[in-house]
Amino acid sequence: EPEVTQTPSHQVTQMGQEVILRCVPISNHLYFYWYRQILGQKVEFLVSFYNNEISEKSEIFDDQFSVERPDGSNFTLKIRSTKLEDSAMYFCASSGQALSGNTIYFGEGSWLTVV
Amino acid sequence: GNSVTQMEGPVTLSEEAFLTINCTYTATGYPSLFWYVQYPGEGLQLLLKATKADDKGSNKGFEATYRKETTSFHLEKGSVQVSDSAVYFCALSFPGGGNKLTFGTGTQLKVEL
Repeated sequence: EPEVTQTPSHQVTQMGQEVILRCVPISNHLYFYWYRQILGQKVEFLVSFYNNEISEKSEIFDDQFSVERPDGSNFTLKIRSTKLEDSAMYFCASSGQALSGNTIYFGEGSWLTVV
Repeated sequence: GNSVTQMEGPVTLSEEAFLTINCTYTATGYPSLFWYVQYPGEGLQLLLKATKADDKGSNKGFEATYRKETTSFHLEKGSVQVSDSAVYFCALSFPGGGNKLTFGTGTQLKVEL
């Protein structure tokens, strides 16, 4: 079964450093997403991406965050200057269509620890 | 705004016990409803979904019915197994809202022999 893959699985970084989390969505999917889950809290929507641009973003997704699809297979989340409160599990996801009820496929997550 | 409320965990059951994990939602309109499962060390997987009132989603022995009158989507399984131990997330999304999912906090299930 096709799957969404994420790297790294775990990264530790110092506060203020830039981090790039990488994702390879399912190959024929068109819609891409990042979610995050702070330990013990809800899974939260960050951003959705379609046709090489952001289609929706949450209040969490401020200027320190950016997303990019640099080639035909990768989808990246960059955090420009990490803060302690950015420590979380970050999930990449993709779907074939952006219709409510359509299945979103999630990756295994990248655990980011900011120290 | 839209929100999802799940019963607090962890839930600990013996194998073959009956499982119910409660989920209620608050939303303007008629969302699609989902249950996702996260097994240890793995990502979120769609377990089942329902897109309109009175629909029943089912998969792997789990089922949930979309109850508009009680704004609920409780997850049930008649006989749990140790392999069902995981975290279960209830979620909703709206037509026209892309696939932005609003999740509950998750309920950890532990099944013991």
